[in-house]
Amino acid sequence: DQQVKQNSPSLSVQEGRISILNCDYTNSMFDYFLWYKKYPAEGPTFLISISSIKDKNEDGRFTVFLNKSAKHLSLHIVPSQPGDSAVYFCAAGLEYGNKLVFGAGTILRVKS
Amino acid sequence: EAQVTQNPRYLITVTGKKLTVTCSQNMNHEYMSWYRQDPGLGLRQIYYSMNVEVTDKGDVPEGYKVSRKEKRNFPLILESPSPNQTSLYFCASSRFRSTDTQYFGPGTRLTVL
Repeated sequence: DQQVKQNSPSLSVQEGRISILNCDYTNSMFDYFLWYKKYPAEGPTFLISISSIKDKNEDGRFTVFLNKSAKHLSLHIVPSQPGDSAVYFCAAGLEYGNKLVFGAGTILRVKS
Repeated sequence: EAQVTQNPRYLITVTGKKLTVTCSQNMNHEYMSWYRQDPGLGLRQIYYSMNVEVTDKGDVPEGYKVSRKEKRNFPLILESPSPNQTSLYFCASSRFRSTDTQYFGPGTRLTVL
């Protein structure tokens, strides 16, 4: 039973356009959410996070939106660049907890 | 350079032959964790450690053991590997807890025949 779901296995976007990656969760206890990015043959790297007390967090070209009532979060990348091509993992947990649950990942391809 | 190192990077072994994957971090982090990555399943947490001598199960601990005798090291032990443990393994560390920024190692590709 996957508590964190990324229903789009892949996404293809033109350079300069917006990329929107989606994530749904089922456990209403989760109060902290993160996005990690992974390039081939490397470990994941942290991208951006959001606490459940917020509904938006922005860091440069990356913005994460949280809709608690829908148990849904999304990552927006504007503008998308070819170097953004990677696998993006959504993760959720308790802010002061010990475990982290990841989604299956979405492969983003940004075409130049 | 701040980093998490794992060894070996690649390993092919046979069913039942005990193996250890080492993990070391140089950031003085309290929290360390092991994950496995499988197609369609993403990253799943195997074990984590909050501090020296403090370890606990993640979501998929069966068939694995860990130890945390020193702050910097967190080895993953497969006492009797089976083919269903063929996977890509990542070690990670963070300052205090799972939701702090986790720094991941480069991964260990394990094949159990």
